[in-house]
Amino acid sequence: TQLLEQSPQFLSIQEGENLTVYCNSSSVFSSLQWYRQEPGEGPVLLVTVVTGGEVKKLKRLTFQFGDARKDSSLHITAAQPGDTGLYLCAGIFGNEKLTFGTGTRLTIIP
Amino acid sequence: KAGVTQTPRYLIKTRGQQVTLSCSPISGHRSVSWYQQTPGQGLQFLFEYFSETQRNKGNFPGRFSGRQFSNSRSEMNVSTLELGDSALYLCASSLPSSPLHFGNGTRLTVT
Repeated sequence: TQLLEQSPQFLSIQEGENLTVYCNSSSVFSSLQWYRQEPGEGPVLLVTVVTGGEVKKLKRLTFQFGDARKDSSLHITAAQPGDTGLYLCAGIFGNEKLTFGTGTRLTIIP
Repeated sequence: KAGVTQTPRYLIKTRGQQVTLSCSPISGHRSVSWYQQTPGQGLQFLFEYFSETQRNKGNFPGRFSGRQFSNSRSEMNVSTLELGDSALYLCASSLPSSPLHFGNGTRLTVT
């Protein structure tokens, strides 16, 4: 079983601040996805990255895939209370099933 | 288009009992996957069904089982419940080689 480590595990910041969360593995991903899960709901896909070095932007969220395809980061600019949630990365290694990280629980304080 | 529907939303059971959870996928999705989510272990893959056949199975004991019907609806069953089975059970459906669409889960509490 491949392991995905996410850091930090918990993050609490003030509205308007910037933040970055990380997803790391010792193995190479075929592709990597980021999800956000809000309380009482299932995870919702935010983005999929496939190519090493790829950068994707979704409004104030910037996703980067490492050159070696072993790590990824999610940067949020000017965080808002609506960004509060559990952020999960999930990777596919070769032909194996999607493996989820343990998540970063983000709280934005108004 | 209706999303993935899981029933019931909440369930309380006693150790030793069994439980059946239901999942109705998005119309047209024939692949259904089940995950267990706990604070300590995160999202753990249970199994995946496609066209009524189990395609993949995670590292869970045989007490965890599932099935899929001809209309793609799926059920999972847990027998001889243990306290450690308390978790949020998530179902996801998808088209082939496409992202997962998750339901809102069934929160199972075992006392």
